[in-house]
Amino acid sequence: GAGVSQSPSNKVTEKGKDVELRCDPISGHTALYWYRQRLGQGLEFLIYFQGNSAPDKSGLPSDRFSAERTGESVSTLTIQRTQQEDSAVYLCASSLAPGGAYGYTFGSGTRLTVV
Amino acid sequence: KQEVTQIPAALSVPEGENLVLNCSFTDSAIYNLQWFRQDPGKGLTSLLLIQSSQREQTSGRLNASLDKSSGRSTLYIAASQPGDSATYLCALPANAGGTSYGKLTFGQGTILTVHP
Repeated sequence: GAGVSQSPSNKVTEKGKDVELRCDPISGHTALYWYRQRLGQGLEFLIYFQGNSAPDKSGLPSDRFSAERTGESVSTLTIQRTQQEDSAVYLCASSLAPGGAYGYTFGSGTRLTVV
Repeated sequence: KQEVTQIPAALSVPEGENLVLNCSFTDSAIYNLQWFRQDPGKGLTSLLLIQSSQREQTSGRLNASLDKSSGRSTLYIAASQPGDSATYLCALPANAGGTSYGKLTFGQGTILTVHP
């Protein structure tokens, strides 16, 4: 596609429920990233996929968070047993080359609200 | 560990003014630096990407400079307009020995308001 597409754009869920967030990167972009932005705060790295290499999961805040990527295509970020502190905008980005040599393109994000 | 600081945290200017946003980083062994804007409730829009070998990049009314030795980048906005109102973020990928490891470190941003 022309840009990075994320769905849903907004999600309200009850505490304790599981949620799945989806990211469709730009076609041909080998690298895909997930970031989180809590209200009034900066962007926080979560996870990085590069081709078929093992993902860098060093930013995932707890074992309730997991992410998958199908080849060099769609990625899903799953949050199990959501907590109120998980409320944030979850942003996905992709890049053409490893490490963002040609820059990064971000999606519009998924706003998650846990009530 | 790379640390990125942006100054000022907020800036309010009248329409038409030229302005400068600052970004400083602690590790000068960078791969590249990218400036983004973020509108309220939206994702990030890429503005300019500067490779480590470059000193500046220009796009329309925007000019970004890079001084690796001093650990600084500036974003210059000429003839500001109300539509420029947004949060401006600079970001650098994690770098070790000249190879980018992909993870971006972001500054906290500068909130710009341009009033008519």
